[in-house]
Amino acid sequence: QQQVKQSPQSLIVQKGGISIINCAYENTAFDYFPWYQQFPGKGPALLIAIRPDVSEKKEGRFTISFNKSAKQFSLHIMDSQPGDSATYFCAASSTGGGNKLTFGTGTQLKVEL
Amino acid sequence: GAVVSQHPSRVICKSGTSVKIECRSLDFQATTMFWYRQFPKQSLMLMATSNEGSKATYEQGVEKDKFLINHASLTLSTLTVTSAHPEDSSFYICSASPLAGGNTDTQYFGPGTRLTVL
Repeated sequence: QQQVKQSPQSLIVQKGGISIINCAYENTAFDYFPWYQQFPGKGPALLIAIRPDVSEKKEGRFTISFNKSAKQFSLHIMDSQPGDSATYFCAASSTGGGNKLTFGTGTQLKVEL
Repeated sequence: GAVVSQHPSRVICKSGTSVKIECRSLDFQATTMFWYRQFPKQSLMLMATSNEGSKATYEQGVEKDKFLINHASLTLSTLTVTSAHPEDSSFYICSASPLAGGNTDTQYFGPGTRLTVL
């Protein structure tokens, strides 16, 4: 019940295209859903996060879509650039769970010229 | 804002020695810090949750006597890997959640420490 399932495992997108990464969860107590970007040999960096009271949040080229009834959320990267090539992790936490993050398995994104 | 540092960034040690890794929140106070380890091409695995002034809470399967955690202040937590062995070689990453403000459930991550045990 604590799992967060993430897909796809890897993704290749052409420059300028849209990258879409999906996550699904089971634990209905989760109330915070962040996305992290990680470059090789670096720590994860917070990209964008959403709470269940909204269905979409946009920050620059990054958008989270959230479907509470389906227990799914996704990251959309618009106008993907080679510099976006990295590993992306979705995560979820609950206030009652001490804000411990449960991470997805990660998606390795490659943006080709 | 919300910068977390780790020191050292890379350490190589001999089997049987102990290694200490520091995690600092530079521009905010953190009531809670977390320690993770990450193997190549894998996700982050939570090792323990560290609260200032109290004992750390370890995840199932993590040896608390091997991975000693001290959270001495609201800006500093340390992880000591005792009697390190080659299987402890990994990428160790800490994170911190702000004490106050609207993002107390947000975790900001450090840059990680690459530990290699020979």
